[in-house]
Parts: sequence; C-alpha cells; structure tokens
Amino acid sequence: NAGVTQTPKFRILKIGQSMTLQCTQDMNHNYMYWYRQDPGMGLKLIYYSVGAGITDKGEVPNGYNVSRSTTEDFPLRLELAAPSQTSVYFCASTTLGGVSNQPQHFGDGTRLSIL
Amino acid sequence: AQRVTQPEKLLSVFKGAPVELKCNYSYSGSPELFWYVQYSRQRLQLLLRHISRESIKGFTADLNKGETSFHLKKPFAQEEDSAMYYCAYSLISGSARQLTFGSGTQLTVLP
Repeated sequence: NAGVTQTPKFRILKIGQSMTLQCTQDMNHNYMYWYRQDPGMGLKLIYYSVGAGITDKGEVPNGYNVSRSTTEDFPLRLELAAPSQTSVYFCASTTLGGVSNQPQHFGDGTRLSIL
Repeated sequence: AQRVTQPEKLLSVFKGAPVELKCNYSYSGSPELFWYVQYSRQRLQLLLRHISRESIKGFTADLNKGETSFHLKKPFAQEEDSAMYYCAYSLISGSARQLTFGSGTQLTVLP
C-alpha cells in the first residue's frame, strides 16, 4: 500500500495564479484532512472531510477550497495564490475506530512558494 | 481556546542521556493525546498515544491530568532518535475528530 500520496512535492506559483494540490489514499479511510505548516509553527487544519461528498472548514480555510468526490481523493485548491499561502501542506487520513481515535496517516507534504 | 504547548523548539542531549520533551495542553474535558514524530526525509508518523500506555522505541509518555501535561521521556537517548516531535490532542469537533498540534520540538542527540 502506498498510504497517502501527495503531488506535487514542490511548486512555485506567482501571485494570483491558481493550482490544485492532489491527495489520494488507498486505505479506504473515510476521514481526510488538509493541514498547513508554517516555519516554527505546528500544523493547522485547513479543511477536512468525513466521507465522499462531505467537507467542512478547519481552523484556517480562507483562500482554499476542497472537494471529495470519491473516498480516495481529497484535492485542495488555491484559487488566487497569495504570499501568505507559502507553506508546507500535508494531507492525512484516518478511519473511525470505535471509542478511540485512530492515528492519522500523513503524506510526504507539498512545499509551496508564492512569489 | 484549546491549545497544545511545546515550550522547547530545540533540544540537544548526548547519546545515552535521558531525554524529556515537554507538552502541556489546555482543554476542558477528556482529551486523547498523541506524540507524532518526523525523522529526516520521512513523513510524519504516530509515535505513541496515551490510551495505549505503550512504550515505543523506548519512549513513554504519561498523561497527567492534574498538570495537564503529556511529556515524552526516554531514559537513554540514541542518535537515531534525532527528529522533530509533535505533541497533539484529539477532540471531536464538528463532524470529525480533529488533531490540534503543538509547534514541535527538534531533538538532536549528539554522539
């Protein structure tokens, strides 16, 4: 199993450009998440999804959009890139595990620079 | 606001020395706490969680509700323990269980 796969690994964008960060998982997990990590900071939740067709905002959703048309895929879209969106983006997934929280499985991250 | 605090951004110890990475949380309720680790050039992965009461790679962490802490400890650090460590807690918010992360501690074990 590949686990959680993110593409691309690196990208440089100009201000105002748009792009989609791809995330796919092959573990049949129902929960998927997008985080961003700024230098010296912890991971902050952008959006999450509990299943196909269902998405919800996290702590820092402004400037981003997501969709979840399938269980496997959870793309993150930046419509109008801004320098404040320069960050490392992580996708994660997990499954519901009864009364306890199952660990989240992370992708390798996408390093995005907006110039 | 709920938060997780890791007061040390950088921590260096010598091989064989004990190591403790501090984590404090503020949350009213019964959180589930985790330690995640990211080794160089590897993805973020779960190290251990408090409900399992397990020791992974020699690391343990005890949840102290009185002090609202979940410090990570290892009696004898090894060079391969050098990595970035994140404390996180999980709560049910909205329609899904979410993780809140601390800012991380970069551990360097010196030879």
